[in-house]
Amino acid sequence: AQSVTQPDIHITVSEGASLELRCNYSYGATPYLFWYVQSPGQGLQLLLKYFSGDTLVQGIKGFEAEFKRSQSSFNLRKPSVHWSDAAEYFCAVGRGDDKIIFGKGTRLHILP
Amino acid sequence: KAGVTQTPRYLIKTRGQQVTLSCSPISGHRSVSWYQQTPGQGLQFLFEYFSETQRNKGNFPGRFSGRQFSNSRSEMNVSTLELGDSALYLCASSLTGTLYNEQFFGPGTRLTVL
Repeated sequence: AQSVTQPDIHITVSEGASLELRCNYSYGATPYLFWYVQSPGQGLQLLLKYFSGDTLVQGIKGFEAEFKRSQSSFNLRKPSVHWSDAAEYFCAVGRGDDKIIFGKGTRLHILP
Repeated sequence: KAGVTQTPRYLIKTRGQQVTLSCSPISGHRSVSWYQQTPGQGLQFLFEYFSETQRNKGNFPGRFSGRQFSNSRSEMNVSTLELGDSALYLCASSLTGTLYNEQFFGPGTRLTVL
């Protein structure tokens, strides 16, 4: 069965520091992979997606993610975080029937 | 262009009651999906409607149902509410509902069952 694992429930980084959020997936075929962000009181917003091609994907708000098939990973990175990046981040995998399976999320805290 | 709107934003019900939540998609979007978000289970897919037909369904009991109208607006209904139904219910719309089209999420309806 398809699944998505985000090993870190909470992550705290200082403003200006680099960030990497981990995501591992389980899916038999070539996966469609997504990262979403949810700010408090709001719905989810798509940061970036990977369908095929270049394994390094650029997204909005300065985020990028790298697809590594050998490690079944799709980690999200940002070189320098801002206080406004504090939110919950969800990794997701898309299935062949167009359903999206979400990870449990990683809550990002930013220290001033 | 207006985003996805959900009404009401907050709802308090008691066990055994039923509830109806509403979602208005972005204009031109024909697919509406519903998700349940809880701290323990995370985001779980409920169902998806496209052109008034349920096209996909998650693993939820029959107490959870939905429908879509000709203007693409969608409602979901939960009957015989249980305490465990307390959650944030998110609606998402997209042009066609396939993975190639971005899903746009509404702010959600926070349902509390007492």
